[in-house]
Amino acid sequence: DAKTTQPPSMDCAEGRAANLPCNHSTISGNEYVYWYRQIHSQGPQYIIHGLKNNETNEMASLIITEDRKSSTLILPHATLRDTAVYYCIVHGSGNTGKLIFGQGTTLQVKP
Amino acid sequence: NAGVMQNPRHLVRRRGQEARLRCSPMKGHSHVYWYRQLPEEGLKFMVYLQKENIIDESGMPKERFSAEFPKEGPSILRIQQVVRGDSAAYFCASRELINNEQFFGPGTRLTVL
Repeated sequence: DAKTTQPPSMDCAEGRAANLPCNHSTISGNEYVYWYRQIHSQGPQYIIHGLKNNETNEMASLIITEDRKSSTLILPHATLRDTAVYYCIVHGSGNTGKLIFGQGTTLQVKP
Repeated sequence: NAGVMQNPRHLVRRRGQEARLRCSPMKGHSHVYWYRQLPEEGLKFMVYLQKENIIDESGMPKERFSAEFPKEGPSILRIQQVVRGDSAAYFCASRELINNEQFFGPGTRLTVL
């Protein structure tokens, strides 16, 4: 599975968009980009995933660059409850599905 | 549709005792994963099971740890002769056959005295 690089921490003002970047320059053609988050001490929560097209659901949007070497998770209107550690994970459909968590980005939403 | 359930939520054991952690996957999910999160550390994959089969146990410690997912009933993570270093949060996740999104339970927090 491709390795990902994320900034260790970010701040965002409540009500503003939070844009969380992820670099995955060694991603291969059949690998998806997944985003999960972990709110303090809770179980991780699936957010969104994509292959090459941009994706949007009720929680967030995922923008993947054309060369697929990086992506951005967008929380359009961050709330205090979005404060969490956000994990960008890349893995292919052919593997066992196990998630390899890095250090993630700690997003602090401030009032 | 109830989410992934884990019990107990908190478990206290003395050194040398056994710990049994249970995970009931979401309805219709036949794939179960166990992850461990040591204090102030990230989540680490332990084992991946399907009904009655261990598919990938590459993250399991070589000794004292075992997992099962029987045909009926919850998945069990068993830790024999616990030591203080086993103190951690243990999370279970499940997924459907064809989708890779994993849904996590609330975790079991094991404390070894």
